[in-house]
Amino acid sequence: EAQVTQNPRYLITVTGKKLTVTCSQNMNHEYMSWYRQDPGLGLRQIYYSMNVEVTDKGDVPEGYKVSRKEKRNFPLILESPSPNQTSLYFCAAGGRGEHNEQYFGPGTRLTVT
Amino acid sequence: AQSVTQLDSQVPVFEEAPVELRCNYSSSVSVYLFWYVQYPNQGLQLLLKYLSGSTLVESINGFEAEFNKSQTSFHLRKPSVHISDTAEYFCAVNWVGSQGNLIFGKGTKLSVKP
Repeated sequence: EAQVTQNPRYLITVTGKKLTVTCSQNMNHEYMSWYRQDPGLGLRQIYYSMNVEVTDKGDVPEGYKVSRKEKRNFPLILESPSPNQTSLYFCAAGGRGEHNEQYFGPGTRLTVT
Repeated sequence: AQSVTQLDSQVPVFEEAPVELRCNYSSSVSVYLFWYVQYPNQGLQLLLKYLSGSTLVESINGFEAEFNKSQTSFHLRKPSVHISDTAEYFCAVNWVGSQGNLIFGKGTKLSVKP
């Protein structure tokens, strides 16, 4: 079964405490990305990766880092979380061009106090 | 900048009534178009997509969308909705030749009432 997994699903943390949200896919897709979803703003892309060791900024990259050391994994790193990063985060994996169907993970709800 | 506009943030409708969720995008160059659905407390699932060919595309649960190049639109329709269609619907666009990034609209919350 095609799957994108994220961990943790829920996280409450405090300002400044580094955290990592993991994302893994079993479909061998080259393209992976991270989005945040906020009420009234829809989904906004944070970072994306077109292949191993190839990453680039999306629309809202400030305060986030990513890495792509393996094709299946694309972790999202918050070095010093702040309350404005409280959001629902989605990882996605998929193809490009005509094969651009994106498969989404179940989401990670992050609260930064 | 390229953008996607979903004109209605919320659409309340009674069960068995028809519904149309509107989506417009900003450019007339070649595009791939998608509708995703997000049920409460879940991730996004692909509902249907337009890549090329017939401008009318259908999903397995009765939704359809029509690509209109001249109006740069990809409206989603269903002739008779069910309570279970209550969800948030997102239109997304990928411009052919781009890096592969999907640009999402802000979403339309469909609320089906009995």
